[in-house]
Amino acid sequence: AQSVTQPDIHITVSEGASLELRCNYSYGATPYLFWYVQSPGQGLQLLLKYFSGDTLVQGIKGFEAEFKRSQSSFNLRKPSVHWSDAAEYFCAGAKAAGNKLTFGGGTRVLVKP
Amino acid sequence: EPEVTQTPSHQVTQMGQEVILRCVPISNHLYFYWYRQILGQKVEFLVSFYNNEISEKSEIFDDQFSVERPDGSNFTLKIRSTKLEDSAMYFCASSMEAVSNKGTQYFGPGTRLTVL
Repeated sequence: AQSVTQPDIHITVSEGASLELRCNYSYGATPYLFWYVQSPGQGLQLLLKYFSGDTLVQGIKGFEAEFKRSQSSFNLRKPSVHWSDAAEYFCAGAKAAGNKLTFGGGTRVLVKP
Repeated sequence: EPEVTQTPSHQVTQMGQEVILRCVPISNHLYFYWYRQILGQKVEFLVSFYNNEISEKSEIFDDQFSVERPDGSNFTLKIRSTKLEDSAMYFCASSMEAVSNKGTQYFGPGTRLTVL
């Protein structure tokens, strides 16, 4: 069965430092991949998505993610974190022939001043 | 920017009662979804809805659950007889296209359901 795993439950990072959130997937074929962010009291906001093509994907709020087939990974990165980036981040995948998202467990990011 | 809205934000109910969770998807979207997240667990798919019928449902979505698009704007999830284990955050989502056609799902803020 397909699955998405986020190995890190919590990450604490200093403001201005770089951030990388890990996401691994297990699918029979290359899935479509997404990163969502959830701030307190808010819904899941799409940061970026990968369907095919260029493996480095740019998203909103200065985030990017890189698809690596050899590592079954789709890690999210930001070069310099702002206090407003404190939130929970979810990686999700979908079969190319499907329509439902399978989510990872989420990574909660805390930003230290 | 158009967004998915959900009401209420928090619903408390007694075990065995019926609840209806309401969603207003983005107006020109054609695909509608419900997901839920039990506290401490992953967000999990419940059901997808297209062209006035269920297109896919998970094992969780048993006979106690139903969905409806009663008019051109609302999309509802009904739980007939709530159980304690139905306590969760319920997210509605909508998309213009199916994911298989490179569609993107947009999520609402969620309804927190507490069953006592």
